[in-house]
Amino acid sequence: AQSVSQHNHHVILSEAASLELGCNYSYGGTVNLFWYVQYPGQHLQLLLKYFSGDPLVKGIKGFEAEFIKSKFSFNLRKPSVQWSDTAEYFCAVIPHSGGGADGLTFGKGTHLIIQP
Amino acid sequence: DTGVSQDPRHKITKRGQNVTFRCDPISEHNRLYWYRQTLGQGPEFLTYFQNEAQLEKSRLLSDRFSAERPKGSFSTLEIQRTEQGDSAMYLCASSLQLRPQETQYFGPGTRLLVL
Repeated sequence: AQSVSQHNHHVILSEAASLELGCNYSYGGTVNLFWYVQYPGQHLQLLLKYFSGDPLVKGIKGFEAEFIKSKFSFNLRKPSVQWSDTAEYFCAVIPHSGGGADGLTFGKGTHLIIQP
Repeated sequence: DTGVSQDPRHKITKRGQNVTFRCDPISEHNRLYWYRQTLGQGPEFLTYFQNEAQLEKSRLLSDRFSAERPKGSFSTLEIQRTEQGDSAMYLCASSLQLRPQETQYFGPGTRLLVL
């Protein structure tokens, strides 16, 4: 079975700082990768996804992530964060060809706080 | 709003009572998923449907849990004889089967508190 590890459970940054949130997964085969975000009081929203092709994917609100297959990593980045980026961020993985079996496997999440 | 909806948004019940939650997926989506999220954790998969068929159940889904999707549209998740350990956020997600590219979209969740 697959697993996801998010290294930072709490991150505090000042506005305009650069952001990188780590995500590593374990699975022997090909996977689809996702970052979801949960803003305070709101539901989980898709931030970006990787299925295949260019390992650098761009999402909403200036976020991007890079899939490094050799490192089993899918780190999330943003060059300059805003106060409105304060949220919980979840990395998730699902086997590429397994259909819906077992659903998404999520990391424990990273709580990001941006100080004005 | 044509996203995934869930009802109720909050539920407080006493231990031993039965509760039922409802999920309405995005209308054209044929897959529907249930997850559970506890404090400090990411969502954990419980079960999923493709149309009306329940195709997979997690080990987390004890015998007290049952889910249905009778007409391949909305789904219900029932918990019988609730326990305090059932307190959690129950999330529903839906997707359109586009193997291998498939994206799940989540509803707002039902927060359950068992006293």
